Order: sequence, then C-alpha cells, then structure tokens
Amino acid sequence: GENVEQHPSTLSVQEGDSAVIKCTYSDSASNYFPWYKQELGKRPQLIIDIRSNVGEKKDQRIAVTLNKTAKHFSLHITETQPEDSAVYFCAATYSSASKIIFGSGTRLSIRP
Amino acid sequence: DGGITQSPKYLFRKEGQNVTLSCEQNLNHDAMYWYRQDPGQGLRLIYYSQIVNDFQKGDIAEGYSVSREKKESFPLTVTSAQKNPTAFYLCASSPRDGEAFFGQGTRLTVV
Repeated sequence: GENVEQHPSTLSVQEGDSAVIKCTYSDSASNYFPWYKQELGKRPQLIIDIRSNVGEKKDQRIAVTLNKTAKHFSLHITETQPEDSAVYFCAATYSSASKIIFGSGTRLSIRP
Repeated sequence: DGGITQSPKYLFRKEGQNVTLSCEQNLNHDAMYWYRQDPGQGLRLIYYSQIVNDFQKGDIAEGYSVSREKKESFPLTVTSAQKNPTAFYLCASSPRDGEAFFGQGTRLTVV
C-alpha cells in the first residue's frame, strides 16, 4: 500500500542555519508532493509543492527537491528564523485515487 | 479562510455514544478527507471521497462512518465501536491533484 516516511521526527537548528527534512514514498504512481506547516493548535497550511515532472522548486527561503527514481523528496529551509518553528508534514498523492498520504511530521525548533 | 468549515470546534462524547462531526466546503472541490491527529503525532487518514455518493476507507476506518450525499458536505460519525476516540479531527478538501485545504479542526474528548 501507499506509505510516506519522514525523517527526522525532531530537528533543532541555530537561527540563521539551514534545515533539511527528507521523505520517501512507496507508490511510483504518486505525482504530487506538497509540504505543510502546522503551528501549535492550528490547521496545516501548504508552504510549497512539487509535481513529478519537476526536479526542484524554490520560493524565497524554502525549496523542495524531488528524485523520482529514488522516490525521495526533501524540504530545504535556509536562513531559518524563529517563526519557522512548527511541525512540518510531507505528503504524496496520485491522480487516480485523489488520496493524500502524509508523513509522520517533523517538529522543527529554531534556537535563538 | 480557505472555504472549508468544521463544526463544532470542541465536542464531548459520553461512553457508548455516537457523535457526528460536520465538514462543509464551498470551494467546489471534488475530493474530501478526514484525518485523525493524536498529540505529537501525524495525520492518519480515516476516510476519503473522490466524488459524491462514493467514499473509501483510509488506514484507520474502524469505528468511523461517513456519507457524501452532497459535494459540499462530508460528515464523519464516530461510533461507539471506536474505543479511543479522543483526538483532534481534521477535514480537508482538494481539487484532483491539487492543494488540500484544511478546516480548523474538531477536538473530541470522551468524558
């Protein structure tokens, strides 16, 4: 069945440093890979996404890379700031089922 | 704010009681989803629906039921068969192959 694995489960970085979160997926038919940020007590919100016909996408301090052959995709946050502290979820979906499967989440803490 | 509304925000259930969580969207999205989130945990898929009058079980469907009689609505019933229902429940909707928008969530507590 479909599965998304996410690592690490917790990550602490110094303010200004970079953070990287990695995910792997099992279904080769997956073609859409969003990343969500969830602040404490709030709903998850999309921060960036990538489709299977693209290898990399960047939006200011956030970038996502996709390796379809290896079924890996990663989130990169540069120049981290205190407001980046949150839980981040990766997800994978494929068009035939419209089924979104989430990773287990990464709790990112930014040290001042 | 995303066009998807969950109610109530907080819900208390007695042992052996069925409760229904509401989820309504005005985004004209075909797909809708229910996820369960336990403290410090990820999002586990309960049920999802791609189209009206059709839905599929997710990874943890036991003890839950849904209906999709209208495109806009996807209510979730937590039945007495669900032995550990205390959790944060999130509803979402999306276009096919697109961004999922989440409701504000319902926090269910068994009393």
